Amino acid sequence: AQSVTQLGSHVSVSEGALVLLRCNYSSSVPPYLFWYVQYPNQGLQLLLKYTTGATLVKGINGFEAEFKKSETSFHLTKPSAHMSDAAEYFCAVTFTGGFKTIFGAGTRLFVKA
Amino acid sequence: ETGVTQTPRHLVMGMTNKKSLKCEQHLGHNAMYWYKQSAKKPLELMFVYSLEERVENNSVPSRFSPECPNSSHLFLHLHTLQPEDSALYLCASSQEGQAIYEQYFGPGTRLTVT
Repeated sequence: AQSVTQLGSHVSVSEGALVLLRCNYSSSVPPYLFWYVQYPNQGLQLLLKYTTGATLVKGINGFEAEFKKSETSFHLTKPSAHMSDAAEYFCAVTFTGGFKTIFGAGTRLFVKA
Repeated sequence: ETGVTQTPRHLVMGMTNKKSLKCEQHLGHNAMYWYKQSAKKPLELMFVYSLEERVENNSVPSRFSPECPNSSHLFLHLHTLQPEDSALYLCASSQEGQAIYEQYFGPGTRLTVT
């Protein structure tokens, strides 16, 4: 069965520190992988996506993620956290020919001044 | 208007009321989705419409009734809801046919059932 696991429901970092949000998936077929961000009282917004090709993917707001097939992971990173990065982040997986996107439970990122 | 819009943004209704949520997408997409987002629970897919036909219905109670009159509009009709139905209801759209099923979300309707 396909699933998505986000390690840590809450992550707290200091402003300027590295952000690392972890995502692992299970799938028997090649997945398409996404990270979405949700700010308070808003819908989800696409940060970045992996489909094929280069395994290091760059997104908006300085975020990037690396697809590691051997580890079935798609961790999200940002070198230097900003206060405006405080939000909830969702990892998601979808598959060719399917309409169902499987979302992780989300990780809330707190940024301390 | 651009992107995906949802109305109303907030809704309070009693258990015996009937109300509808509206979603409109201005992206030219041909698939639309309803999700339920409750506190401390993963996003739950409720319904999917592709080319105005329902293709996914995830065991949602019959008190939720979707309607997709055309590829730009999606409704969620609500009746005799329960307090546990209080949640953020998100609409999304995507373009079928591409290999990349990224979805574009509206801001959601915050529903409170009293």
